[in-house]
Amino acid sequence: NAGVTQTPKFQVLKTGQSMTLQCAQDMNHEYMSWYRQDPGMGLRLIHYSVGAGITDQGEVPNGYNVSRSTTEDFPLRLLSAAPSQTSVYFCASSQQAVRNSPLHFGNGTRLTVT
Amino acid sequence: AQSVAQPEDQVNVAEGNPLTVKCTYSVSGNPYLFWYVQYPNRGLQFLLKYITGDNLVKGSYGFEAEFNKSQTSFHLKKPSALVSDSALYFCAVRDHNTNAGKSTFGDGTTLTVKP
Repeated sequence: NAGVTQTPKFQVLKTGQSMTLQCAQDMNHEYMSWYRQDPGMGLRLIHYSVGAGITDQGEVPNGYNVSRSTTEDFPLRLLSAAPSQTSVYFCASSQQAVRNSPLHFGNGTRLTVT
Repeated sequence: AQSVAQPEDQVNVAEGNPLTVKCTYSVSGNPYLFWYVQYPNRGLQFLLKYITGDNLVKGSYGFEAEFNKSQTSFHLKKPSALVSDSALYFCAVRDHNTNAGKSTFGDGTTLTVKP
């Protein structure tokens, strides 16, 4: 199993540009989520999904959009990039049915918005 | 609402000495508790999780965690630190009534083990 795969690893955008961060998992996990990691602020939940066709907002959803058309994929869209969105983004998945199932993380996408 | 606090930004220990990384939590019901480790330029890796009824939980790489319900704490410990344990450690909590993966993370503690 590849686990959770994120692409790209690095990205530089200009303010106002849009892009999609890709996330795929091959563990048949129902739950998938996006976090951003900023220095001294831990991980903050952006959006999450408990299954195909179901998404919901996390703690910091503004400026981001998600969809979940398949169990495997959970892309994160930046609609109009802003410097405040410079961060490291992590996708994570877990088994929904097992209540204390840990999260499995991808290796992250480092995004810089200039 | 659920929250977690890691009171120390940085912990420094000498190789071979015991280490403790502190975590306290707040949930409305019973907690699910986790520790994760992050090495540079990598994603978080699961270390261990609280199992209901076990006050001392053993995990990967010789780490263990001590659960204390009255102090609402879940401190990460290791009897003898290695230089390779140097990394960023995150505590995470989830209420039993919350969606399975919707965890709240602490701000992280950087552990530095010096030879």
